[in-house]
Amino acid sequence: QVQLVESGGGVVQPGRSLRLSCAASGFTFSTYAMHWVRQAPGKGLEWVSLVSYDGSNKYYLDSVKGRFTISRDNSKNTVYLQMNSLGPEDTAIYYCARYNLATPGFDNWGQGTLVTISS
Amino acid sequence: EIVLTQSPGTLSLSPGERATLSCRASQSVSSSYLAWYQQKPGQAPRLLIYGASSRATGIPDRFTGSGSGTDFTLTISGLEPADFAVYYCQQHTSSPPTWTFGQGTKVEIK
Repeated sequence: QVQLVESGGGVVQPGRSLRLSCAASGFTFSTYAMHWVRQAPGKGLEWVSLVSYDGSNKYYLDSVKGRFTISRDNSKNTVYLQMNSLGPEDTAIYYCARYNLATPGFDNWGQGTLVTISS
Repeated sequence: EIVLTQSPGTLSLSPGERATLSCRASQSVSSSYLAWYQQKPGQAPRLLIYGASSRATGIPDRFTGSGSGTDFTLTISGLEPADFAVYYCQQHTSSPPTWTFGQGTKVEIK
């Protein structure tokens, strides 16, 4: 079965960096675009970033452009989110999600990893 | 930028009742790219409906999606205890590629 397992979250000070990872299994990872979606405590869902199946195309939420970088390693079935210059507004659970073009929607999600920005 | 507005914010209903959730877009959205999700406390969202009206794998037929253009609806007929949760609509546009969620509707037990 499809599994997405995020890691790398934690508590960091404002202005610092963090790198999230999402390990995928149970499907042909190299044929799917992968996304990061976040959810601030007690708030709704917010799409953050997309990387295409081969890593050639990347898109970002305006508020994270220039600070976050998405990447993937298809040999390791892993997608990453490098987050720099973190601010309190970035505090959230970060979910890795698979977008299925055949059934347009995020059809599989990880359990999420909590990122807390605090001094 | 397309904004999705969900209403009501909270719906208080009893088991067995029908829930009608609305999702209104600030401009026309392709029905092909309108989806609904359910999220329970402490859990990741789960895809319920894609293409505005198609149920995802394993979703019971008491969940029905409908609508087009700027107005979409998720109907849950005969609420079961497991259905009390927060529901989000979501749309995708291609140029530029963006994915947007509504702010959510909480369905709570009355």
